Amino acid sequence: DIVMSQSPDSLAVSLGERATVNCKSSQSVLHSSDNKNYLAWYKQKPGQPPNLLIYWASTRESGVPDRFSGSGSGTDFTLTISSLQAEDVAVYYCQQYYSSPPTFGQGTKVEIK
Amino acid sequence: QVQLVQSGSELKRPGASVKVSCKASGYTLSTYAMNWVRQAPGQGLEWMGWINTNTGNPTYAQGFTGRFVFSWDTSVSTAYLQISSLKPEDTAVYYCARNSGSGSYYDYWGQGTLVTVSS
Repeated sequence: DIVMSQSPDSLAVSLGERATVNCKSSQSVLHSSDNKNYLAWYKQKPGQPPNLLIYWASTRESGVPDRFSGSGSGTDFTLTISSLQAEDVAVYYCQQYYSSPPTFGQGTKVEIK
Repeated sequence: QVQLVQSGSELKRPGASVKVSCKASGYTLSTYAMNWVRQAPGQGLEWMGWINTNTGNPTYAQGFTGRFVFSWDTSVSTAYLQISSLKPEDTAVYYCARNSGSGSYYDYWGQGTLVTVSS
């Protein structure tokens, strides 16, 4: 199984500042056949289901604010919130779908400083 | 609009069974695979497996074989998760999550069903 590791486990950022969440996979999730990274990001608020933010490592889901961006390739990925808003307080998960079983990172809790 | 609506919370005794439903609306159930994801209290997300909603063929992740059964009924646009011989460690929120059309990431999620197993 591909192991997904996120860092940090939690971070506190001031409103309007940048928040960066890292995700590392134990093996590459870049598929040579289509040159796509099989990596998604989700946001989960307390008491709610996860919500898809980003897929193919950098494609923003429809309706997701453009302050959210994904980057990286191969084994190292980043989710960036360019200007943290109060509604961004949540736990963020990365997920690889390169191979079965799909696996999630342990989550990163983002809070307001 | 696409919605996945799950059945309500359940409180069960150890050894009992539970069946969680996930009713799809806004699209045809058989068009997209359905996944099940478990989240234990205060923990992360764990993929349990998926069901091919066209053929009914289920695939179970390691650790979710034997007591877990995925099924579906296209006539009522509903996917089901049944867990038998419940144990206290099965206490968790169970989510259904729809596969996207282009990859095995999940574009729509049910609201979750809390199953509590306690004597």
